Parts: sequence; C-alpha cells; structure tokens
Amino acid sequence: DQQVKQNSPSLSVQEGRISILNCDYTNSMFDYFLWYKKYPAEGPTFLISISSIKDKNEDGRFTVFLNKSAKHLSLHIVPSQPGDSAVYFCAASLSSSNTGKLIFGQGTTLQVKP
Amino acid sequence: DADVTQTPRNRITKTGKRIMLECSQTKGHDRMYWYRQDPGLGLRLIYYSFDVKDINKGEISDGYSVSRQAQAKFSLSLESAIPNQTALYFCATSASGTQETQYFGPGTRLLVL
Repeated sequence: DQQVKQNSPSLSVQEGRISILNCDYTNSMFDYFLWYKKYPAEGPTFLISISSIKDKNEDGRFTVFLNKSAKHLSLHIVPSQPGDSAVYFCAASLSSSNTGKLIFGQGTTLQVKP
Repeated sequence: DADVTQTPRNRITKTGKRIMLECSQTKGHDRMYWYRQDPGLGLRLIYYSFDVKDINKGEISDGYSVSRQAQAKFSLSLESAIPNQTALYFCATSASGTQETQYFGPGTRLLVL
C-alpha cells in the first residue's frame, strides 16, 4: 500500500520554464512534508519542506504547495536550470508519532534541457 | 568533510555471504536510519535507532540486522545475502524534534550474485 505516490516517473522541461512535480498521499494524518533531490551516485539532499498548517512555502526558485483537502503537494521550480536535472522524492511524516519516520514516494526524474 | 559517510561505496558479494555496511556521522544527531532504494519503489525504511539502546524495525527488516555501536555509528548487516537484496542502501540521520529533517549519506551500491 503506497501511502505517498509520485505518479509521473519522469518530466522534461526546457531551461527557463517552470517545472512542476506532483505528489499525492493517502494518510490525512501526515503533517509534515519534504522534498529531496538526488543526483546519480549521491545521497538524497534536503530541498524544502512544509508543515500542514501552511499551504505554501518558498525558498528562492523553489516553492512547495500543499492542498490538504486533495491530499496533494507540488514542487514548483522557476526558472528551471540544467543543474536541476535530478530525481526528486517527496516524503511525508507524522510528526506527532515522534518516530521521525519518513514515507517516500517513488521519485520523479526531472530533465531540464538547455 | 561529509557529515554522513558510508563504507563501502560499492560492494559485490555472493549469495549466502554475510556482509556489513557501515555508517558514521559527525552531525551530532541522535537518530539514525537505514533505507534501501529500488527502481520504481523509492526509499524504504529497513531499521532506525533513536539512541544506542533503542533499535526499531522499519517496513522491510527481514533478512537484515543492525548495530548502533555509538551515537555516531550505525551498521547494517545482511546475515546471508540473497540476490533480491541487490539495491542502493542509504544511511540517514536526524535530530529528534517535532518536524525532523533527515540528512543522507552518499549510499552503498550492493550487488548480490
């Protein structure tokens, strides 16, 4: 049972355009969400997060939107750059459980073409 | 220097062999995790530890064991490796809190023949 789903395995975008990566979850108790970026031969690196009390969080070119009623979050990258080409994972946690456990989606491979 | 290190980075072994993957961190975090990544499945939690005396199973712990030798060291063992344990293995750390961010090591690529 996949509690966090990234239904698009891959996405290709032209440099300078917006990249939108999507993530859906099934457990309405999740209250903290994160995006990680992963380059080949490296571990995932933390990108941006959002608490369930917010619907938007912005950090430079990266913005995460949370729609709790739809159980959906998205990552917007504007403008996209070739260096953004990587695998992006969304993750969710239940902070009240105090386990620190993250549930990851399957990942979306983003390719930004020059 | 990297905050979270993993050794070895690559390993080839044969079915039935016992192997150990090691993780060390200099972030001073109390919590450590082991994940495996398979194509199309994302990262799945194998074991996690809140401190030296606290070890917990994750969603896919069968066939694995762990040891938390010190706050900074967390090792993963495959007692008798099998081919479907071929995967990328990641160690992660976090500081206990209400909304934790995990920080990952570079990974170990394991091939079981």
